[in-house]
Amino acid sequence: TQLLEQSPQFLSIQEGENLTVYCNSSSVFSSLQWYRQEPGEGPVLLVTVVTGGEVKKLKRLTFQFGDARKDSSLHITAAQPGDTGLYLCAGARGGQGNLIFGKGTKLSVKP
Amino acid sequence: DAGVTQSPTHLIKTRGQQVTLRCSPKSGHDTVSWYQQALGQGPQFIFQYYEEEERQRGNFPDRFSGHQFPNYSSELNVNALLLGDSALYLCASSLVSAWGTQYFGPGTRLLVL
Repeated sequence: TQLLEQSPQFLSIQEGENLTVYCNSSSVFSSLQWYRQEPGEGPVLLVTVVTGGEVKKLKRLTFQFGDARKDSSLHITAAQPGDTGLYLCAGARGGQGNLIFGKGTKLSVKP
Repeated sequence: DAGVTQSPTHLIKTRGQQVTLRCSPKSGHDTVSWYQQALGQGPQFIFQYYEEEERQRGNFPDRFSGHQFPNYSSELNVNALLLGDSALYLCASSLVSAWGTQYFGPGTRLLVL
């Protein structure tokens, strides 16, 4: 059983479209991270959210942490080909050092 | 400011052999975690080191062992390699006080034949 479920698993869109990726769990997390990963490379940290209901913006990317700290979403406005990659959410639980990852959402933005 | 570095970048081994992977954390970080990422999957936690001690361990067999040195760098050792150990091995560094925020290195791609 996957502790963090990401959806959709694959997403192929045209440049300029908007999209939302979801990360859901039945467990509470003390913080949640979003990463972007290119093939054969390590994940690059985009954002950390720690407070229930928190919203963070990074240029065209908007991240939200659910009120109950069990879920999160990533919204991209006016997607560009450079946004193509694997988007991973990862949760940390209080007192534990490990990150629990979802399987990722593979995004392809076509020009 | 150098980020997390890992060596080697690629490695090919045969079944039964042993391998050592190395990691240098981001400057100022005191904690190193290791993850295994199989193709098409999210990273899976192997273990975490802080103050040269294994602080937490994931669901991996004893063939996987590690070490942290006084300068905070770390090694991951895998003995008696199996075909299923083929994966991208990722090192992540953080501050023990951080809220789960971990920074990853580029990874080591291990292929076991």
